[in-house]
Amino acid sequence: DGGITQSPKYLFRKEGQNVTLSCEQNLNHDAMYWYRQDPGQGLRLIYYSQIVNDFQKGDIAEGYSVSREKKESFPLTVTSAQKNPTAFYLCASTTSRTDTQYFGPGTRLTVL
Amino acid sequence: GENVEQHPSTLSVQEGDSAVIKCTYSDSASNYFPWYKQELGKGPQLIIDIRSNVGEKKDQRIAVTLNKTAKHFSLHITETQPEDSAVYFCAASRPGTDKLIFGTGTRLQVFP
Repeated sequence: DGGITQSPKYLFRKEGQNVTLSCEQNLNHDAMYWYRQDPGQGLRLIYYSQIVNDFQKGDIAEGYSVSREKKESFPLTVTSAQKNPTAFYLCASTTSRTDTQYFGPGTRLTVL
Repeated sequence: GENVEQHPSTLSVQEGDSAVIKCTYSDSASNYFPWYKQELGKGPQLIIDIRSNVGEKKDQRIAVTLNKTAKHFSLHITETQPEDSAVYFCAASRPGTDKLIFGTGTRLQVFP
């Protein structure tokens, strides 16, 4: 069963803690993306990666970090430096031959 | 900067009626325009897309039109059904990149 998986579906964090969100794809896609979604707003790009061991900041990268050690995996760490981390986080991927992005089911992060 | 405006933010229609959602983009070099449907608590799903060399594209009850001169594109849903109720996002490609700029979303409600 191919696709993009994100885990966990719901995540609760105390202030001051770092937390890592998982994103895995078995579509053999080259590029992967992390977006943040807040109520009433569109999707905002946090980080993206076009190839393994390389990634670039998006529009709202402050307070976040990523790694791309494997083609299939692109984990996102929300650090304590992110001032307002409560949001719905979406991971997406695409091949190098098309700009069509496919999304995972999302992770809802709540900071208590 | 690059921007995509989407209207309306909410849309209520009677089952069987048509629904139209409009988006305007700022960069005339954008050449790819996807539409996504997002159900509550889920990731966005691609429903239709169009490229700048085409003026209209249809897929059953869904159609997208593109006016490059005016830099706007629209989603048309005919014979709406309650299961069409969701949030719809438009997006435009960022020229020279494989990134997308998203609109702020339209919440469509179809009443039986």
